[in-house]
Amino acid sequence: AQSVAQPEDQVNVAEGNPLTVKCTYSVSGNPYLFWYVQYPNRGLQFLLKYITGDNLVKGSYGFEAEFNKSQTSFHLKKPSALVSDSALYFCAVRDEYGDSSYKLIFGSGTRLLVRP
Amino acid sequence: SAVISQKPSRDICQRGTSLTIQCQVDSQVTMMFWYRQQPGQSLTLIATANQGSEATYESGFVIDKFPISRPNLTFSTLTVSNMSPEDSSIYLCSGTGHYFDNEQFFGPGTRLTVL
Repeated sequence: AQSVAQPEDQVNVAEGNPLTVKCTYSVSGNPYLFWYVQYPNRGLQFLLKYITGDNLVKGSYGFEAEFNKSQTSFHLKKPSALVSDSALYFCAVRDEYGDSSYKLIFGSGTRLLVRP
Repeated sequence: SAVISQKPSRDICQRGTSLTIQCQVDSQVTMMFWYRQQPGQSLTLIATANQGSEATYESGFVIDKFPISRPNLTFSTLTVSNMSPEDSSIYLCSGTGHYFDNEQFFGPGTRLTVL
């Protein structure tokens, strides 16, 4: 069965410092991996995805994520955090060889708090 | 990309009543989904809205409680029936398809409070 784990409920970082939000996954085939961000009282916004190709994926707002197959991880990173990055972040996975329904499995979410 | 809107954005309802939430996409999508989210928590998939046929429900969700319609490739509705306070949540719709390169787009959500 597919699953996604976000081990940290909250990540605290000072503005200007690098940030990492962790995600590990489990699928039976090749994974399709996604990161979404949710600001207060808003829907989910797509940040980036890994389908195939380079393990380092660059996305919106300066975020990037590194796909590590051996560690089954897809950690979200940003070199220099902004206070405006404070939000709820979700990792999601879809199994390439799963059914064709496009269903995503979401992690529990990680709240990022960037302090000035 | 696709832009998804939902109506209403929020509502306060009485126990025992029903509420229908509308989801409109600005372009045709192959798949539409309905999720439930408690504030600050993860998303739980309720069902896949199938165009022209009955929705496919996830474990724990039934058609009598959450009837879904999808008359075309850009519109879907979710009804929360016979509501109780436990139904208080945020309901999100999303869409994706072959033309969106595996990306799933989300509406802004409907915040439902049941008294």
